[in-house]
Amino acid sequence: KQEVTQIPAALSVPEGENLVLNCSFTDSAIYNLQWFRQDPGKGLTSLLLIQSSQREQTSGRLNASLDKSSGRSTLYIAASQPGDSATYLCAFFGRAGGTSYGKLTFGQGTILTVHP
Amino acid sequence: GAVVSQHPSRVICKSGTSVKIECRSLDFQATTMFWYRQFPKKSLMLMATSNEGSKATYEQGVEKDKFLINHASLTLSTLTVTSAHPEDSSFYICSARTLAGGIYEQYFGPGTRLTVT
Repeated sequence: KQEVTQIPAALSVPEGENLVLNCSFTDSAIYNLQWFRQDPGKGLTSLLLIQSSQREQTSGRLNASLDKSSGRSTLYIAASQPGDSATYLCAFFGRAGGTSYGKLTFGQGTILTVHP
Repeated sequence: GAVVSQHPSRVICKSGTSVKIECRSLDFQATTMFWYRQFPKKSLMLMATSNEGSKATYEQGVEKDKFLINHASLTLSTLTVTSAHPEDSSFYICSARTLAGGIYEQYFGPGTRLTVT
């Protein structure tokens, strides 16, 4: 069964720091990996989606990388701001033939707090 | 990006009653929709996968007679919590999947907070 693990579970930093959030997965049959943001009591906002053929995606201060061989994805947040405070979730979408085909498997999330 | 709406955003109901939650894809057609449940400070748990015009596929441990899912059109799926109990109180999130240019991507609704008293 696919497992998606996120480290750390929680992170509290002062404003301006560069951050690294980690996501690891056990199933190598990956179709894509998505990073989401969730504010308290709200739905999910898609941040970045990396196809299995890609190594990274960038959007503004966010950069996500994918290393299929090691089963890892990393979300970099540059120059963090208090408005970045939220829960960040990674989600694995498996390709046909794998155990996770057809549905997203979520990590437990990293709760990020950025202090002014 | 694509927009998914949910209605209602919050609902309070009495134990024993049924509640219907609607999920709509506003600017695209979704052949597949998903329903998730989220407990406080926990990640999303997939409840069922819904394909337009066919019966939903439920995840292990999810009661299909309690959580009725209908996906009658390419833009609307509904989740009905039947005979609700306090333990059904939770945050329910729907998602709709698109396939464009050979790439699957899922978009999520804003969620529905259900409280059963």
